[in-house]
Amino acid sequence: ETGVTQTPRHLVMGMTNKKSLKCEQHLGHNAMYWYKQSAKKPLELMFVYNFKEQTENNSVPSRFSPECPNSSHLFLHLHTLQPEDSALYLCASSPADGDNYGYTFGSGTRLTVV
Amino acid sequence: GQQVMQIPQYQHVQEGEDFTTYCNSSTTLSNIQWYKQRPGGHPVFLIQLVKSGEVKKQKRLTFQFGEAKKNSSLHITATQTTDVGTYFCAGRRRGSNYKLTFGKGTLLTVNP
Repeated sequence: ETGVTQTPRHLVMGMTNKKSLKCEQHLGHNAMYWYKQSAKKPLELMFVYNFKEQTENNSVPSRFSPECPNSSHLFLHLHTLQPEDSALYLCASSPADGDNYGYTFGSGTRLTVV
Repeated sequence: GQQVMQIPQYQHVQEGEDFTTYCNSSTTLSNIQWYKQRPGGHPVFLIQLVKSGEVKKQKRLTFQFGEAKKNSSLHITATQTTDVGTYFCAGRRRGSNYKLTFGKGTLLTVNP
């Protein structure tokens, strides 16, 4: 366990479904991130929350909706996804967003859109 | 926008051989981080380099940050099968809210 827990580990959903990914950390970190990892592409930053405030939305389509109710929890709500959204979705945390901190990643949710 | 390029994309070595991956940025970096992702796993933070020309070692791993703070390298001496995985560099640039930009990674496979 890394200290960052993601559920579910695997998810298969249809294009008309609505689902949510959950991320939880008890490291006392104040910044949380969603990344998308697709084959043969760099890790793509999706969203950043720093002290519960969203500070980055990296031009992510509105079918992805983040929620950060507190510094320990982060959700990614999914609706009407496309097959090209199939990827590994990684949550990460750090003490605060900014310089000089490495990220702690969760094990990821492997999402398949059918 | 900022780009971080990594080469090679793949590297296959015999156990005991050395391995090096290179990271180049189109802009000057504030600092650079390295991560390792085992097959089927998630990225794990290895190290951060901040100073121009900095060299850090972790056992058989040597990390370097270029004098101009635009390139970096990771060198593994005498590879072992446990070194298998994808090695990513990630750079931060001043003036971009210190956003971390990842390279595509180098996949290392080791033949026992």
